[in-house]
Amino acid sequence: AQTVTQSQPEMSVQEAETVTLSCTYDTSESDYYLFWYKQPPSRQMILVIRQEAYKQQNATENRFSVNFQKAAKSFSLKISDSQLGDAAMYFCAYRRIQGAQKLVFGQGTRLTINP
Amino acid sequence: DAGVIQSPRHEVTEMGQEVTLRCKPISGHDYLFWYRQTMMRGLELLIYFNNNVPIDDSGMPEDRFSAKMPNASFSTLKIQPSEPRDSAVYFCASTLSSAGWSAGYTFGSGTRLTVV
Repeated sequence: AQTVTQSQPEMSVQEAETVTLSCTYDTSESDYYLFWYKQPPSRQMILVIRQEAYKQQNATENRFSVNFQKAAKSFSLKISDSQLGDAAMYFCAYRRIQGAQKLVFGQGTRLTINP
Repeated sequence: DAGVIQSPRHEVTEMGQEVTLRCKPISGHDYLFWYRQTMMRGLELLIYFNNNVPIDDSGMPEDRFSAKMPNASFSTLKIQPSEPRDSAVYFCASTLSSAGWSAGYTFGSGTRLTVV
């Protein structure tokens, strides 16, 4: 079974600085999708960024980018120029391409932004 | 589109009572998922449907839990009888398979259930 591990329960960063959230996963599949979701205090789960495993280029979305290391099964999220609105729980998630359609989530990292 | 709509947003009930959570997926989406979020266990998939048919209910914790999807625009998750350990946030999510799986899911705002 696939597993997703986020080893940092909590992180904090100064406003305008850069922070990196870690995620590792375990799978025997060669093709799959990886996601980062943000959950602010409103509880809404918001898709931040996605990565297809068959693409070597790291995905970027404005201030958010990933460092995808397929061989190491690592998928970290970098947030540049942190803003107060970035404060939230961040979840890393994995989904197979074939077979079961479910998203498997990590335990989450709570990110605090210090003004 | 209004997104995935869940009701109620909050539910407080007494142990032993029946609880029904509701979800309206995004129109046209063919997959619907029910997740439960707790501090101890994180986000767990309970069950998911494809074209209104349950595909995998292996995450349903026990027989007290049941889920239905009578049509493409409505699903329910029922707990009977409810217990304090069922207290959690329950999320519904939907997606459209033909849009490509990299699109991820769209989640509702969740229902916070408290069983006292």
